[in-house]
Amino acid sequence: DAKTTQPTSMDCAEGRAANLPCNHSTISGNEYVYWYRQIHSQGPQYIIHGLKNNETNEMASLIITEDRKSSTLILPHATLRDTAVYYCIHFMNRDDKIIFGKGTRLHILP
Amino acid sequence: DARVTQTPRDKVTEMGQEVTMRCQPILGHNTVFWYRQTMMQGLELLAYFRNRAPLDDSGMPKDRFSAEMPDATLATLKIQPSEPRDSAVYFCASGLAGTYGYTFGSGTRLTVV
Repeated sequence: DAKTTQPTSMDCAEGRAANLPCNHSTISGNEYVYWYRQIHSQGPQYIIHGLKNNETNEMASLIITEDRKSSTLILPHATLRDTAVYYCIHFMNRDDKIIFGKGTRLHILP
Repeated sequence: DARVTQTPRDKVTEMGQEVTMRCQPILGHNTVFWYRQTMMQGLELLAYFRNRAPLDDSGMPKDRFSAEMPDATLATLKIQPSEPRDSAVYFCASGLAGTYGYTFGSGTRLTVV
């Protein structure tokens, strides 16, 4: 079973920052937080991951709370192409499988 | 960019027929996953392999589904006999154990009529 809680859907205006929350209160010390997204009719795409420190790459930033029970994915300047379902998952990096939940359907509004 | 290749892209078949879906993982990746996606159930893990050996196929209906890796460059998912409830998009993903992120293919859209 998926072990994360995410809002079912969110809207964000184009050009603004999209902040997608995720609760993962059962995360264990050696599990990473991963974010994937799935654009319509495509396979899921890896975005970013982190263990305890905040992370940033060319796609997004990941903010993880100090107690690691929740995180926020930030798309700094959302575009229409960012409309997708965003999945937050946590698992150990090694030898582990991804179990997807329902994710958050993000709509970027023009 | 390296990509996971799935064939066929679309498949329409009649109930009772055998269906084989193929996946070519990224060269050098040693972990391969099969997922099924429907509107009702979302993304479900069917099976996954490491170094061509099955690690977990508990998500797969055993009586009609089978997954294999004949070699490191090919993974197959077979349904025999197919049923209308098997209609879904089937995704393959590959990765290298101990590294970050898995790469998904574009999927095979299966319709069983």
